[in-house]
Amino acid sequence: NAGVTQTPKFQVLKTGQSMTLQCAQDMNHEYMSWYRQDPGMGLRLIHYSVGAGITDQGEVPNGYNVSRSTTEDFPLRLLSAAPSQTSVYFCASSFLGGSSHEQYFGPGTRLTVT
Amino acid sequence: KQEVTQIPAALSVPEGENLVLNCSFTDSAIYNLQWFRQDPGKGLTSLLLIQSSQREQTSGRLNASLDKSSGRSTLYIAASQPGDSATYLCATSGSRLTFGEGTQLTVNP
Repeated sequence: NAGVTQTPKFQVLKTGQSMTLQCAQDMNHEYMSWYRQDPGMGLRLIHYSVGAGITDQGEVPNGYNVSRSTTEDFPLRLLSAAPSQTSVYFCASSFLGGSSHEQYFGPGTRLTVT
Repeated sequence: KQEVTQIPAALSVPEGENLVLNCSFTDSAIYNLQWFRQDPGKGLTSLLLIQSSQREQTSGRLNASLDKSSGRSTLYIAASQPGDSATYLCATSGSRLTFGEGTQLTVNP
């Protein structure tokens, strides 16, 4: 059981480039989400999904796209990278049923945009 | 909009001390509250989850309490060790997870 995996671990982009951050989970969780973590601002929700084919915006969605074609994968796309998107990105997942909804986090992707 | 605050922002203690980390939130309509640990340059590791109907949860030397009516949770760490040094984050779960900014804990040998 690998849990939540993210690739790449590190990435450097030039302004205007596009890329996709990958996230996968093998726990059959319905709920998946993306956060960014910035000093002094904590973790902020970018986008989330409650199941395949269903996505919604979080607190800071501008400049990012997501899709959820399978239960396991939830990629985050940066359409045209900007220096303001320099951050550490975390993917998380959880069950929606039951009473717990405990969130499990991936190891993160550290992105620098120059 | 839910706001989560953690006090203190940083804490330094000698090894062996018992300590309490505080978390407060503005909206008591939460589904659960989760405490995480984050080591430098790493992801978040879930420590304890307290459901809204519960008052506390325990795991080893850790005990977390929840008082929804006052909008507060505490994380108690008994007999602290240098390996406990990390940033501790609390997060409330309602329609979405809302995080505090964390308490950076240093346990000195």
